[in-house]
This record gives sequence, C-alpha cells and structure tokens, in this order.
Amino acid sequence: DAKTTQPPSMDCAEGRAANLPCNHSTISGNEYVYWYRQIHSQGPQYIIHGLKNNETNEMASLIITEDRKSSTLILPHATLRDTAVYYCIVRVYGGATNKLIFGTGTLLAVQP
Amino acid sequence: DTEVTQTPKHLVMGMTNKKSLKCEQHMGHRAMYWYKQKAKKPPELMFVYSYEKLSINESVPSRFSPECPNSSLLNLHLHALQPEDSALYLCASSQDLGGTEAFFGQGTRLTVV
Repeated sequence: DAKTTQPPSMDCAEGRAANLPCNHSTISGNEYVYWYRQIHSQGPQYIIHGLKNNETNEMASLIITEDRKSSTLILPHATLRDTAVYYCIVRVYGGATNKLIFGTGTLLAVQP
Repeated sequence: DTEVTQTPKHLVMGMTNKKSLKCEQHMGHRAMYWYKQKAKKPPELMFVYSYEKLSINESVPSRFSPECPNSSLLNLHLHALQPEDSALYLCASSQDLGGTEAFFGQGTRLTVV
C-alpha cells in the first residue's frame, strides 16, 4: 500500500488560506488521493479526492503534482471551525480489498 | 439523510462482560466498516462488509465479532475484552466498495475496566 507523509502540525491565521502538504511518492497509477478531516471527538469527514487533475469543491481544492508524488489541500479561507486533524489517504482499491487506511495526519490549528 | 448513527455513545464494560455496539445507516449503502481509534492516533481499519458479507478482517482478535444482519445495520459484539481495547470505535459506510466517499458515525467511546 502506498504510504503518505504529512507534517504533524500547522498553524494558520483565520481568514487566510491553509495549505496542507502530503507526500505519497510510492503511489500507483490507479490509486486516488483522498482527504478527510477529524474535528475533536467526532468521526472523520470526507473533504475531497482526486486521481490526476486538480479538484475543487465547496470545501477545498486539491492540487496534485504532475508526477503524482505529492499533493496539497487548500482551504481558501480558514475559520476557527476548520481546526482539526487532516488526513491524506491513498486509497487502495481492488475487488474485495477496498481499504481506506489513515496515516498520522496534520493537526491544523486556525488562530484568531 | 446522510447520517451514520452509532449507539451507544459511551460504554463502560468489565472484562467478563458481553456487549454490542450498533451502527445504522439509511443511505442505501452496501459497504460498511468498523474502525478502532486510540487516543491521539489515526483510525485503524478492523472489518469491511460488502453486501452483508465480511470482505476484510484485519487480523482482529476473536473477542471482537462483527455481524451485518441486513444492509442497514452493522453490529460489533464484544466479549472478554482487555483494558487495552479501550478506544473510540467508529463505523462508516459507503455506496459500495468502489464508493468515493465514506460517511462516518460519531463513534462509541468504549472503556474496559
């Protein structure tokens, strides 16, 4: 399974963009990059996913490098409610072996 | 309704007790998952069910016994647990194994005494 590497923690000022990096240098061609977040004492929440192209939804943008070895999650205007652990996940899929394996994540602290 | 509901929210049990955790979803999802999360650690996959059949068991000890009685329900039966099994147990569901988004419940915080 491809593994991901994320910084353990980051700070961001409220109202500014939060850019969360993720390295996944061993990713295979058919593996997707997923981002989830977990606010304290809650279940993880899906944010966004992508294969090759950059993706955007109402929550965030996902930028994947051309070689697919790294990606960046962008929260365009961080608020205090975005304080959470953000998990970058490479999804293994194949028949009955679908797995969503969480790495150690980045604790994003949004400061007022 | 995009909710995954887990009950109970909190559970304290002795090492000789038998208890069950319950998970329910009404989104028509056919894949359901159990995760275990220790404090300050990421969630760890335990079991995956697909169309009510066990698809993946991540070498979980037999004192944890999953059950999927129908497409909306997932149970986790607990017996003879150890204090180190104390954790947050999370249930999730997705449309199927190829589903792009997994929805998680709020978890059951289990304490084994």
